[in-house]
Amino acid sequence: DVKVTQSSRYLVKRTGEKVFLECVQDMDHENMFWYRQDPGLGLRLIYFSYDVKMKEKGDIPEGYSVSREKKERFSLILESASTNQTSMYLCASSSDGAKAFFGQGTRLTVV
Amino acid sequence: DQQVKQNSPSLSVQEGRISILNCDYTNSMFDYFLWYKKYPAEGPTFLISISSIKDKNEDGRFTVFLNKSAKHLSLHIVPSQPGDSAVYFCAASARSGANNLFFGTGTRLTVIP
Repeated sequence: DVKVTQSSRYLVKRTGEKVFLECVQDMDHENMFWYRQDPGLGLRLIYFSYDVKMKEKGDIPEGYSVSREKKERFSLILESASTNQTSMYLCASSSDGAKAFFGQGTRLTVV
Repeated sequence: DQQVKQNSPSLSVQEGRISILNCDYTNSMFDYFLWYKKYPAEGPTFLISISSIKDKNEDGRFTVFLNKSAKHLSLHIVPSQPGDSAVYFCAASARSGANNLFFGTGTRLTVIP
């Protein structure tokens, strides 16, 4: 069974902290994505990666960076967390850019 | 600019009746469409998809219809069950282009027992 695993279900961080969200997939997929979900706004793409060490900005990359050192792992970094980054963060992977498999999500609260 | 739109934020349906969820898109390059279902505090799960070469795809109680000329797709659930209560996201991609999905804002379906 396909599996995308996010390191934390819930996180509470302070404003200004550096935050790391980790995602691992076991399907050998080339493509990995980070989305955030907010009420009334749907899923918005932050960054995606189509290969190791490659990354592309999505719709809302400001305040975020990513790292993909290994094919199975894609990390989202909040350089200096702010309260407007409180959200549900969703990682996904796909082999062909179409059918994506999602992790369980990380609910991040920045106080 | 939102390329995939779900104009109904919520829908309530009686158990056993049909649920129809709608989705519109603006980018004519989109050629693959998907529906995802999401429960609270969980990630979205894939439900059904359709390629632009088809106008209908069916999987059990779920059917997706695609009207390319109107840039419109819909998801029909028949019969609706209380366990179908969730947020449904429509998504689209241009498989010849960048490898990412564009999502709508979601429709919260409530099936009333």
